[in-house]
Amino acid sequence: GQQVMQIPQYQHVQEGEDFTTYCNSSTTLSNIQWYKQRPGGHPVFLIQLVKSGEVKKQKRLTFQFGEAKKNSSLHITATQTTDVGTYFCATNAGKSTFGDGTTLTVKP
Amino acid sequence: SAVISQKPSRDICQRGTSLTIQCQVDSQVTMMFWYRQQPGQSLTLIATANQGSEATYESGFVIDKFPISRPNLTFSTLTVSNMSPEDSSIYLCSVDGVGTEAFFGQGTRLTVV
Repeated sequence: GQQVMQIPQYQHVQEGEDFTTYCNSSTTLSNIQWYKQRPGGHPVFLIQLVKSGEVKKQKRLTFQFGEAKKNSSLHITATQTTDVGTYFCATNAGKSTFGDGTTLTVKP
Repeated sequence: SAVISQKPSRDICQRGTSLTIQCQVDSQVTMMFWYRQQPGQSLTLIATANQGSEATYESGFVIDKFPISRPNLTFSTLTVSNMSPEDSSIYLCSVDGVGTEAFFGQGTRLTVV
């Protein structure tokens, strides 16, 4: 099945700094989803990208899907302490393959 | 959207015993999924619970260890059988929101001692 590699594994930032996590696949993806899991919580859906080169924004979060549909990124501008958690990319909503996740910690 | 109730939320079990986890959805769904999340790790799909037929297991997971029931379109159970400490994980049920997103239950945190 499809596999997605996600980097970095951990990211520590000062509050107000930006943050980016990257998701890469060796094969073309039909779609990609991004989830956030707060410490002690369960994954919560953030967004799905389907189209080549697609860019979507949610307030301070910007999601991109590569032109070749083999990579994706999540960028957070001016991080806040509420952004802490693990961000996962995944393919095929439902019967999903998840990336390893990037755990973000924010120092106030 | 779908609201998923999963229980128990956590349990501590003795090795060699079994635990059944329940997942209730507030609407009828065709497929339900069971995931395992080992400590500090990502989510791994265990199986797809199909209503009216046997569950479909992913590589590395077998029915004898993780029997699944799906008696109707809103309910499923996952049993972790003959538990060992290596089974200590978070178990999550999930449903597919018409192919656009997945909704997860709150998870069951299992510790096997």
